[in-house]
Amino acid sequence: GESVGLHLPTLSVQEGDNSIINCAYSNSASDYFIWYKQESGKGPQFIIDIRSNMDKRQGQRVTVLLNKTVKHLSLQIAATQPGDSAVYFCAETLFTNAGKSTFGDGTTLTVKP
Amino acid sequence: GAVVSQHPSWVICKSGTSVKIECRSLDFQATTMFWYRQFPKQSLMLMATSNEGSKATYEQGVEKDKFLINHASLTLSTLTVTSAHPEDSSFYICSARERVAKNIQYFGAGTRLSVL
Repeated sequence: GESVGLHLPTLSVQEGDNSIINCAYSNSASDYFIWYKQESGKGPQFIIDIRSNMDKRQGQRVTVLLNKTVKHLSLQIAATQPGDSAVYFCAETLFTNAGKSTFGDGTTLTVKP
Repeated sequence: GAVVSQHPSWVICKSGTSVKIECRSLDFQATTMFWYRQFPKQSLMLMATSNEGSKATYEQGVEKDKFLINHASLTLSTLTVTSAHPEDSSFYICSARERVAKNIQYFGAGTRLSVL
Protein backbone atom coordinates (compact mmCIF):
# COMPACT_ATOMS: atom_id res chain seq x y z
CA GLY A 1 0.00 0.00 0.00
CA GLU A 2 0.99 3.59 -0.16
CA SER A 3 3.03 5.08 2.63
CA VAL A 4 4.77 8.27 3.41
CA GLY A 5 7.73 8.24 5.69
CA LEU A 6 10.33 10.58 7.05
CA HIS A 7 14.04 9.97 7.10
CA LEU A 8 14.73 11.38 10.55
CA PRO A 9 12.40 11.38 13.52
CA THR A 10 14.11 14.32 15.24
CA LEU A 11 16.07 17.36 14.14
CA SER A 12 17.80 19.87 16.38
CA VAL A 13 19.08 23.16 14.99
CA GLN A 14 20.49 26.39 16.30
CA GLU A 15 18.33 29.47 16.13
CA GLY A 16 19.07 31.35 12.95
CA ASP A 17 20.28 28.30 11.04
CA ASN A 18 18.41 26.78 8.15
CA SER A 19 16.46 23.55 8.67
CA ILE A 20 15.83 20.81 6.17
CA ILE A 21 13.20 18.21 6.87
CA ASN A 22 12.94 15.26 4.52
CA CYS A 23 10.15 12.96 3.48
CA ALA A 24 10.04 9.86 1.30
CA TYR A 25 6.84 8.74 -0.33
CA SER A 26 6.07 5.52 -2.10
CA ASN A 27 3.10 6.23 -4.35
CA SER A 28 4.40 7.68 -7.57
CA ALA A 29 0.83 8.49 -8.60
CA SER A 30 0.27 10.99 -5.80
CA ASP A 31 -0.94 14.32 -7.15
CA TYR A 32 -0.35 16.71 -4.36
CA PHE A 33 1.82 17.12 -1.31
CA ILE A 34 1.45 19.23 1.79
CA TRP A 35 3.63 20.05 4.74
CA TYR A 36 1.93 20.55 8.08
CA LYS A 37 3.23 21.84 11.38
CA GLN A 38 1.80 20.51 14.60
CA GLU A 39 2.53 22.12 17.92
CA SER A 40 2.04 20.17 21.11
CA GLY A 41 -1.62 19.57 21.93
CA LYS A 42 -2.88 21.27 18.78
CA GLY A 43 -4.12 20.27 15.37
CA PRO A 44 -1.86 20.37 12.31
CA GLN A 45 -1.41 23.69 10.60
CA PHE A 46 -0.94 24.05 6.86
CA ILE A 47 2.50 25.35 5.90
CA ILE A 48 2.97 24.91 2.19
CA ASP A 49 1.85 22.66 -0.64
CA ILE A 50 3.11 21.55 -4.00
CA ARG A 51 1.51 19.83 -6.94
CA SER A 52 3.13 16.86 -8.58
CA ASN A 53 3.80 18.85 -11.76
CA MET A 54 6.11 21.21 -9.89
CA ASP A 55 9.52 20.67 -8.36
CA LYS A 56 9.85 23.72 -6.17
CA ARG A 57 7.61 26.15 -4.38
CA GLN A 58 8.54 28.97 -2.06
CA GLY A 59 6.65 30.61 0.73
CA GLN A 60 7.58 32.94 3.50
CA ARG A 61 10.80 31.50 4.95
CA VAL A 62 9.84 28.05 3.68
CA THR A 63 10.59 26.18 0.50
CA VAL A 64 9.31 22.80 -0.57
CA LEU A 65 11.25 20.70 -3.05
CA LEU A 66 9.81 17.73 -4.86
CA ASN A 67 11.95 15.13 -6.58
CA LYS A 68 9.64 12.70 -8.31
CA THR A 69 12.49 10.62 -9.68
CA VAL A 70 13.42 9.42 -6.22
CA LYS A 71 10.03 10.15 -4.64
CA HIS A 72 11.44 12.59 -2.18
CA LEU A 73 10.00 15.72 -0.63
CA SER A 74 11.77 18.24 1.55
CA LEU A 75 10.86 21.28 3.58
CA GLN A 76 13.45 23.97 4.03
CA ILE A 77 13.00 26.56 6.73
CA ALA A 78 15.21 29.60 6.53
CA ALA A 79 16.52 31.36 9.63
CA THR A 80 14.83 28.93 11.99
CA GLN A 81 13.22 30.50 15.02
CA PRO A 82 12.20 29.03 18.40
CA GLY A 83 8.58 29.31 17.30
CA ASP A 84 9.34 26.82 14.56
CA SER A 85 9.81 24.07 17.13
CA ALA A 86 7.09 21.53 16.42
CA VAL A 87 6.40 18.23 14.70
CA TYR A 88 6.35 18.46 10.93
CA PHE A 89 4.35 16.06 8.80
CA CYS A 90 4.35 15.59 5.10
CA ALA A 91 1.17 14.32 3.50
CA GLU A 92 0.50 12.97 0.04
CA THR A 93 -2.84 13.13 -1.65
CA LEU A 94 -4.29 11.18 -4.51
CA PHE A 95 -7.16 13.09 -6.06
CA THR A 96 -8.80 9.93 -7.33
CA ASN A 97 -8.86 8.55 -3.80
CA ALA A 98 -11.51 10.97 -2.59
CA GLY A 99 -8.79 13.48 -1.87
CA LYS A 100 -7.65 11.58 1.18
CA SER A 101 -4.22 12.36 2.49
CA THR A 102 -1.71 9.90 3.86
CA PHE A 103 0.49 11.33 6.56
CA GLY A 104 4.09 10.50 7.26
CA ASP A 105 5.43 9.71 10.70
CA GLY A 106 6.55 13.21 11.52
CA THR A 107 9.84 14.90 12.34
CA THR A 108 10.25 16.72 15.62
CA LEU A 109 12.13 19.96 15.09
CA THR A 110 13.77 21.51 18.12
CA VAL A 111 15.29 24.97 17.83
CA LYS A 112 17.96 25.81 20.34
CA PRO A 113 18.32 29.48 21.32
CA GLY B 1 -7.69 32.03 6.47
CA ALA B 2 -10.12 29.16 6.83
CA VAL B 3 -10.94 28.31 10.43
CA VAL B 4 -12.12 24.99 11.79
CA SER B 5 -13.50 24.91 15.30
CA GLN B 6 -13.50 21.67 17.24
CA HIS B 7 -15.26 21.16 20.57
CA PRO B 8 -14.69 20.12 23.21
CA SER B 9 -10.93 20.45 23.40
CA TRP B 10 -10.73 18.08 26.33
CA VAL B 11 -13.17 15.59 27.77
CA ILE B 12 -13.00 13.04 30.55
CA CYS B 13 -15.72 10.44 30.78
CA LYS B 14 -16.55 7.23 32.53
CA SER B 15 -16.27 3.93 30.76
CA GLY B 16 -19.50 3.02 28.99
CA THR B 17 -20.66 6.55 28.30
CA SER B 18 -20.84 8.20 24.90
CA VAL B 19 -19.01 11.33 23.88
CA LYS B 20 -19.83 13.68 21.02
CA ILE B 21 -17.21 15.81 19.34
CA GLU B 22 -18.19 18.66 17.04
CA CYS B 23 -16.26 19.99 14.09
CA ARG B 24 -17.36 23.26 12.47
CA SER B 25 -16.02 25.19 9.53
CA LEU B 26 -16.52 28.79 10.59
CA ASP B 27 -15.96 30.80 7.44
CA PHE B 28 -16.24 28.38 4.58
CA GLN B 29 -18.37 25.55 3.32
CA ALA B 30 -16.88 22.13 3.77
CA THR B 31 -18.26 19.44 1.52
CA THR B 32 -15.86 16.94 3.02
CA MET B 33 -14.60 16.53 6.54
CA PHE B 34 -12.12 14.01 7.82
CA TRP B 35 -11.75 12.48 11.26
CA TYR B 36 -8.35 11.38 12.51
CA ARG B 37 -7.02 9.72 15.59
CA GLN B 38 -3.56 10.39 16.89
CA PHE B 39 -1.65 8.52 19.58
CA PRO B 40 1.22 10.19 21.46
CA LYS B 41 4.27 10.79 19.31
CA GLN B 42 2.62 9.18 16.33
CA SER B 43 1.19 10.37 13.08
CA LEU B 44 -2.42 11.01 12.20
CA MET B 45 -4.48 7.96 11.38
CA LEU B 46 -7.49 8.57 9.18
CA MET B 47 -10.64 7.09 10.67
CA ALA B 48 -13.31 8.19 8.24
CA THR B 49 -14.28 10.58 5.50
CA SER B 50 -17.49 12.49 5.99
CA ASN B 51 -19.41 13.99 3.09
CA GLU B 52 -22.30 16.35 3.65
CA GLY B 53 -25.62 14.62 3.30
CA SER B 54 -24.28 11.13 2.87
CA LYS B 55 -22.95 8.30 4.98
CA ALA B 56 -19.39 8.45 6.15
CA THR B 57 -16.77 6.22 4.61
CA TYR B 58 -14.75 4.42 7.23
CA GLU B 59 -11.19 3.22 6.91
CA GLN B 60 -10.42 -0.43 7.29
CA GLY B 61 -10.42 -1.52 10.90
CA VAL B 62 -12.52 1.38 12.19
CA GLU B 63 -15.82 0.29 13.70
CA LYS B 64 -18.61 2.40 12.28
CA ASP B 65 -20.99 1.46 15.09
CA LYS B 66 -18.40 2.53 17.60
CA PHE B 67 -17.54 5.83 15.96
CA LEU B 68 -20.72 7.42 14.66
CA ILE B 69 -20.23 10.25 12.21
CA ASN B 70 -22.88 12.70 11.13
CA HIS B 71 -22.34 15.44 8.56
CA ALA B 72 -25.69 17.16 8.58
CA SER B 73 -24.67 20.48 7.04
CA LEU B 74 -21.89 22.08 5.03
CA THR B 75 -20.39 23.49 8.19
CA LEU B 76 -20.84 20.79 10.82
CA SER B 77 -19.72 17.23 11.31
CA THR B 78 -19.92 15.29 14.56
CA LEU B 79 -18.11 12.23 15.83
CA THR B 80 -19.75 10.25 18.61
CA VAL B 81 -17.67 7.70 20.45
CA THR B 82 -20.26 5.26 21.72
CA SER B 83 -19.83 3.22 24.89
CA ALA B 84 -16.34 4.57 25.32
CA HIS B 85 -13.67 2.42 26.94
CA PRO B 86 -10.17 3.27 28.17
CA GLU B 87 -8.64 2.03 24.92
CA ASP B 88 -10.60 4.74 23.10
CA SER B 89 -8.60 7.39 24.95
CA SER B 90 -6.77 9.38 22.32
CA PHE B 91 -6.43 12.68 20.53
CA TYR B 92 -9.14 13.07 17.91
CA ILE B 93 -8.71 15.65 15.17
CA CYS B 94 -11.09 16.74 12.46
CA SER B 95 -10.30 18.53 9.25
CA ALA B 96 -12.43 20.20 6.64
CA ARG B 97 -11.83 20.58 2.96
CA GLU B 98 -13.08 23.75 1.40
CA ARG B 99 -15.67 23.45 -1.32
CA VAL B 100 -13.83 25.74 -3.73
CA ALA B 101 -10.19 25.10 -2.90
CA LYS B 102 -10.52 21.39 -2.60
CA ASN B 103 -6.97 20.44 -2.05
CA ILE B 104 -6.14 21.78 1.38
CA GLN B 105 -7.44 20.37 4.62
CA TYR B 106 -7.89 22.78 7.49
CA PHE B 107 -7.62 21.19 10.88
CA GLY B 108 -9.39 21.70 14.16
CA ALA B 109 -7.42 22.03 17.36
CA GLY B 110 -8.21 18.46 18.37
CA THR B 111 -10.06 16.82 21.25
CA ARG B 112 -8.25 14.99 24.00
CA LEU B 113 -10.47 12.13 25.17
CA SER B 114 -9.70 10.37 28.42
CA VAL B 115 -11.91 7.44 29.37
CA LEU B 116 -11.67 6.35 32.99
